[in-house]
Amino acid sequence: AQSVTQPDIHITVSEGASLELRCNYSYGATPYLFWYVQSPGQGLQLLLKYFSGDTLVQGIKGFEAEFKRSQSSFNLRKPSVHWSDAAEYFCAVPRGSTLGRLYFGRGTQLTVWP
Amino acid sequence: EAGVTQFPSHSVIEKGQTVTLRCDPISGHDNLYWYRRVMGKEIKFLLHFVKESKQDESGMPNNRFLAERTGGTYSTLKVQPAELEDSGVYFCASSQVNPGNSYEQYFGPGTRLTVT
Repeated sequence: AQSVTQPDIHITVSEGASLELRCNYSYGATPYLFWYVQSPGQGLQLLLKYFSGDTLVQGIKGFEAEFKRSQSSFNLRKPSVHWSDAAEYFCAVPRGSTLGRLYFGRGTQLTVWP
Repeated sequence: EAGVTQFPSHSVIEKGQTVTLRCDPISGHDNLYWYRRVMGKEIKFLLHFVKESKQDESGMPNNRFLAERTGGTYSTLKVQPAELEDSGVYFCASSQVNPGNSYEQYFGPGTRLTVT
């Protein structure tokens, strides 16, 4: 079945440590791929997106993600986490005739220790 | 520029009652989407409007849910009658019409619906 999987429900890191959030997808063709972040009380904000071309994508807030076709993965990374990065992160794939239907993973809740 | 707004932010109703959620998209965005997140589950697509027309309503769970977008501006999502399993956070999003193929959807903060 087509799906987006985020294996980690909750991750805790210390401030200043590096971060990697995992996302795997299961689709026949290479999909477009997004990462969204939701901070408490806020709507989902797009961090970065992959359509084609360079497999290393830079986003906002110092985040990057790497598309690996062989592993069907699109992991999100940040070299040094800040306390303000504590939030829930969602990987998503747009589908449908107009690519207007987003399929989300279950989300990864990030806690940052001071 | 104002973002996507949703009203109310929270709603607590009893089973069998009716609730109407409202979404105001970003001005000029023809595309409007509704999503829902049930606790512990993933965010799921409900439907997609292009202006006032329903482009895709494949995610609507049943006929107790009615979405409208009269005049192609704001949208409402009515649940009638509400059931316990309708509890969750309802998100609205909007986007422009394929600007440079970005497909970026801008999300509101959501309405938390609790059915008791």
